[in-house]
Amino acid sequence: NAGVTQTPKFQVLKTGQSMTLQCAQDMNHNSMYWYRQDPGMGLRLIYYSASEGTTDKGEVPNGYNVSRLNKREFSLRLESAAPSQTSVYFCASSTQGRAVRDKTYEQYFGPGTRLTVT
Amino acid sequence: AQSVSQHNHHVILSEAASLELGCNYSYGGTVNLFWYVQYPGQHLQLLLKYFSGDPLVKGIKGFEAEFIKSKFSFNLRKPSVQWSDTAEYFCAVSPGYSSASKIIFGSGTRLSIRP
Repeated sequence: NAGVTQTPKFQVLKTGQSMTLQCAQDMNHNSMYWYRQDPGMGLRLIYYSASEGTTDKGEVPNGYNVSRLNKREFSLRLESAAPSQTSVYFCASSTQGRAVRDKTYEQYFGPGTRLTVT
Repeated sequence: AQSVSQHNHHVILSEAASLELGCNYSYGGTVNLFWYVQYPGQHLQLLLKYFSGDPLVKGIKGFEAEFIKSKFSFNLRKPSVQWSDTAEYFCAVSPGYSSASKIIFGSGTRLSIRP
C-alpha cells in the first residue's frame, strides 16, 4: 500500500496563477482532508470530505476549492494564487465516516506539497 | 469552539533528559486526543491516541501521555530522550461521537536534542 500520495512535491507559482494539488489514498478510507502548515501555526484545516460526495469548509477555506472525485481522490484548487498561500499543504485520510465512531480513525498523512507564491 | 494549546514552542534538551510537553484543550464534551510527530522533512505520523479507558496511554518509541480530564490536559512524556527524537510534536483533539471527523491541531512544539 502506498498510503496517501500527493503531487506535486514542490511548486512555484506567480501571483494570480492557478493550480490543483492532487491527493489519493489506497486505504479505502471514507474521510479525506486538506491542511496547510505554517511556522508557529501548526496545521490548519482548509477543507474536508467526510465521505464520497460531500465536502465541508474547515478553518481557512478562503481562496481554495476542493473536489472529491471519488473515494480515493481529493483535490485542492487554488484559482488565483496569492503570496499568503505560500505554505506546505498536507492531505490526510481516515476511516471515520458520517455518524460512525470508528475507534481507529486517526488520520494518515501524505508527504506534503511545498508551495511558494511569488 | 474547540482549541488546542501547546505552551512550549521550542524545547531543547540533552540526550537522556526527561521530557514533558504540555497540551491543553478547550472542549466540554467527550474528546479523542492524539499526539502526532513530524521528523525533519517527513510527514506527520501518529505517536499515540486516547479514546477511552485507561487515561495513561502508551505509544511508540517509549512515549506516553496522560489524560487528566479535570485539567483538560494531555501531556506527552518520555523518561529518557534520544537524539533521534528531534522533531516537531503536535497535540490534536476531536469531539467524540461526532458525525464528522474534524481534528483540531495545536501549533506544535519543536524538540531539539543535543547529542
